[in-house]
Amino acid sequence: DAGVIQSPRHEVTEMGQEVTLRCKPISGHDYLFWYRQTMMRGLELLIYFNNNVPIDDSGMPEDRFSAKMPNASFSTLKIQPSEPRDSAVYFCASSLDRAGYTEAFFGQGTRLTVV
Amino acid sequence: DAKTTQPPSMDCAEGRAANLPCNHSTISGNEYVYWYRQIHSQGPQYIIHGLKNNETNEMASLIITEDRKSSTLILPHATLRDTAVYYCIGAGGTSYGKLTFGQGTILTVHP
Repeated sequence: DAGVIQSPRHEVTEMGQEVTLRCKPISGHDYLFWYRQTMMRGLELLIYFNNNVPIDDSGMPEDRFSAKMPNASFSTLKIQPSEPRDSAVYFCASSLDRAGYTEAFFGQGTRLTVV
Repeated sequence: DAKTTQPPSMDCAEGRAANLPCNHSTISGNEYVYWYRQIHSQGPQYIIHGLKNNETNEMASLIITEDRKSSTLILPHATLRDTAVYYCIGAGGTSYGKLTFGQGTILTVHP
């Protein structure tokens, strides 16, 4: 397996524009996570899914952020409208339910810059 | 998730053992202790996890105290490539699957 695949790797957009980040989890994994990383706040869990269903979205910063998982092999994180403070590296991760513990595999991240 | 406390930074000489401590005094009985690391500009990487017993794999060893309030990650022969931020996480139980990262420990391995 190629691992968790995120696209694009880099995104530069203007303030107010819509941004869509994409993630393809590892085949067979039933958990999917979206994280955001900044120097100030570190790694923050935004939302996670189990079997395509959102379980906990308490980390989503505000209504401008939305995430979907239409099927087991694809998820999107959308920011509309984008703001400069959304600039960060966004990571997607997936894991397999293994009798009480989870080993999450992370993608390479999408570096988002909002100007 | 259990709150964890780690030193902000540590140094280690190449070839020596690196011992990274973590306090997790509020960990509950069904929560695992996980260790991840993040090498610059990459996504975090799973290292090891444990519940009660000490664990060892090809990357590291995990020593958990009997009261489970603290643990130590051991990299037996540190290399320059082990320079990274190391995160200790307590998770599981009702928040199964939810990994909450703290600030971690910046480990610098020197030649």
